Amino acid sequence: AQKITQTQPGMFVQEKEAVTLDCTYDTSDQSYGLFWYKQPSSGEMIFLIYQGSYDEQNATEGRYSLNFQKARKSANLVISASQLGDSAMYFCAMRGTGGTSYGKLTFGQGTILTVHP
Amino acid sequence: SQTIHQWPATLVQPVGSPLSLECTVEGTSNPNLYWYRQAAGRGLQLLFYSVGIGQISSEVPQNLSASRPQDRQFILSSKKLLLSDSGFYLCAWGPGQFSNEQYFGPGTRLTVT
Repeated sequence: AQKITQTQPGMFVQEKEAVTLDCTYDTSDQSYGLFWYKQPSSGEMIFLIYQGSYDEQNATEGRYSLNFQKARKSANLVISASQLGDSAMYFCAMRGTGGTSYGKLTFGQGTILTVHP
Repeated sequence: SQTIHQWPATLVQPVGSPLSLECTVEGTSNPNLYWYRQAAGRGLQLLFYSVGIGQISSEVPQNLSASRPQDRQFILSSKKLLLSDSGFYLCAWGPGQFSNEQYFGPGTRLTVT
C-alpha cells in the first residue's frame, strides 16, 4: 500500500520569498512517480511538477522545484519568489507501478499556502 | 490539445435521489480515466478507474457506480444518494499507467440535502 504524508496543514510566506512544502511517502514499489498539484479556491487541480523515482536530477518547472531525497522518502516542493496567486491548497501525490496500479494516484491531505503581501 | 469536461458544475440533490455525473475527454484516444472524491478540506480519494470501454475497477465499496460506455466518456452514478456522498467529484485522465501525466477536469460540487 502507498501512503503520502503532508505534515503542514497550513503555511504562510511573504511575497517574493521562497517556501518549502513537505511531503513524505511510503511505498514498496521499486518504480514510482511523485506529483504536486495546486488547487485554488475554484477547485480545479492544476498539475505543477513530476519526479520519477529513477530520475537522478530534481525536477524543475519555472518557479517550482522538487527536492527529491529518495533515501529519506521525501519529495518536498520548493516555490521560489512567491506570488499572491500562489495562495492555494497544495497536494503531493504518488503513482505506483505495481501490477494493478494503472496509474492511480494516492494523495496526501494537502497544505494550505497563504502568501502575504 | 486534450481537454476534459465535467458536468454539471454544481448539483444539489435530496437524500435518496439518483445521481449521474458525466466526464468526457477530447483530443486523445484510449485514455485511463479516474473518478476521485474530495471531502471538504481533505485530500482526494480514488473511487473508480477505467483502462478501457466497459472496464471499471472500484477502489472503495459504496453506493456509487461507474460506467464507461464510450472510449472517452466516464459516468459516475448512484441509485440512491446518501448525505455522506456530498463532496467535490473530480474526473481525471492519463495517457497510460506509467505516464507522468494525469490531468483533472473542473469538478462537480455535489451537496446532498
